[in-house]
Amino acid sequence: GESVGLHLPTLSVQEGDNSIINCAYSNSASDYFIWYKQESGKGPQFIIDIRSNMDKRQGQRVTVLLNKTVKHLSLQIAATQPGDSAVYFCAEINNTDKLIFGTGTRLQVFP
Amino acid sequence: DTGVSQNPRHKITKRGQNVTFRCDPISEHNRLYWYRQTLGQGPEFLTYFQNEAQLEKSRLLSDRFSAERPKGSFSTLEIQRTEQGDSAMYLCASSFEGQPQHFGDGTRLSIL
Repeated sequence: GESVGLHLPTLSVQEGDNSIINCAYSNSASDYFIWYKQESGKGPQFIIDIRSNMDKRQGQRVTVLLNKTVKHLSLQIAATQPGDSAVYFCAEINNTDKLIFGTGTRLQVFP
Repeated sequence: DTGVSQNPRHKITKRGQNVTFRCDPISEHNRLYWYRQTLGQGPEFLTYFQNEAQLEKSRLLSDRFSAERPKGSFSTLEIQRTEQGDSAMYLCASSFEGQPQHFGDGTRLSIL
């Protein structure tokens, strides 16, 4: 399939290591944030979300941290696996209910 | 699998032709969204529906674009008189109000 994001920032990690993907959002009024994973030729896949009244939320192998002071969001993936290789997008929502996507990050996992 | 379904997956057409894409959302979702994604970019919002009502349209949605959701279930996105710049991946997402949007795998449009 066609690659998503040919010139995106890239994070390369070794299998088994932890990954941290960062995102800066633009609108201080945004109150809901979502991380998506996108594999080549596929649509974005929901990973985890967080609302602005929280600063941390954990899922299975993933943790999202929200710092509203500096408008920063991060996604931590524990024990990164080859199947985690993809482009990762953060997205914000304010009162308009439309997703505003940030610049994606390509995660490459090598053995 | 009862995820969001989009058809066709790929569409190749000549400049100036009309194209129509279909999206079938997750059945219990009342909101349906259309986005467009070009290479190296995140998806950009085009329009969205709550049930059959179209609530918001982006300025990206020129008058050549029209979207419908006649019965509050599936939706269609039509592009008339296609142009080279319309080449992109067209993504559909659905959600229940206040919940995460879930995406289909998109329709990739190529204009010759």
